Amino acid sequence: AQRVTQPEKLLSVFKGAPVELKCNYSYSGSPELFWYVQYSRQRLQLLLRHISRESIKGFTADLNKGETSFHLKKPFAQEEDSAMYYCALSGKTVFSGGYNKLIFGAGTRLAVHP
Amino acid sequence: DTEVTQTPKHLVMGMTNKKSLKCEQHMGHRAMYWYKQKAKKPPELMFVYSYEKLSINESVPSRFSPECPNSSLLNLHLHALQPEDSALYLCASSPGQGLNTDTQYFGPGTRLTVL
Repeated sequence: AQRVTQPEKLLSVFKGAPVELKCNYSYSGSPELFWYVQYSRQRLQLLLRHISRESIKGFTADLNKGETSFHLKKPFAQEEDSAMYYCALSGKTVFSGGYNKLIFGAGTRLAVHP
Repeated sequence: DTEVTQTPKHLVMGMTNKKSLKCEQHMGHRAMYWYKQKAKKPPELMFVYSYEKLSINESVPSRFSPECPNSSLLNLHLHALQPEDSALYLCASSPGQGLNTDTQYFGPGTRLTVL
């Protein structure tokens, strides 16, 4: 079964503390993994994806195929990082279909306190 | 233009009304999606259009009727909705290459309230 698990509903930290938002997945194959973020009153937007191997706003995520994890990390949290974070999985490439199907985790709300 | 736009921002309708939600993108994307998002929950996929053809219907009740008039536009026609259909309706688009690495770009959503 295809599934994305984010075990924490809420992660509460103080400004300057390290942050790790956990994401585990279940998929038989080689999926692509994404992190999307939804700030208050703003649209859902891509934060980063595995294939790009970028660091966005200080966040990084490493795909660990052995542990089937794609945890999101930031060494020093800022108040503006407070938002809802969703881990998502996209399964096999469907060239003929022309679309990809995202499977979202339940989300983790990050609250960064001053 | 690198955004997905949605109108209206808010919609209140009675259970006997007929209304439509509109989504537009001018990024040349050929795949467009409708999602439903309840409060504090992740988006749930409803429909996928690829090259203006309906590719996925996730067993959505027939009171929701999607339409893709052209490659830039996606509509969701609503009729005889129930109060439990109240939610944020999100539109998204992706390039249409069918790669699992394709990024989906989301609109701001339409907040629907059914009375």
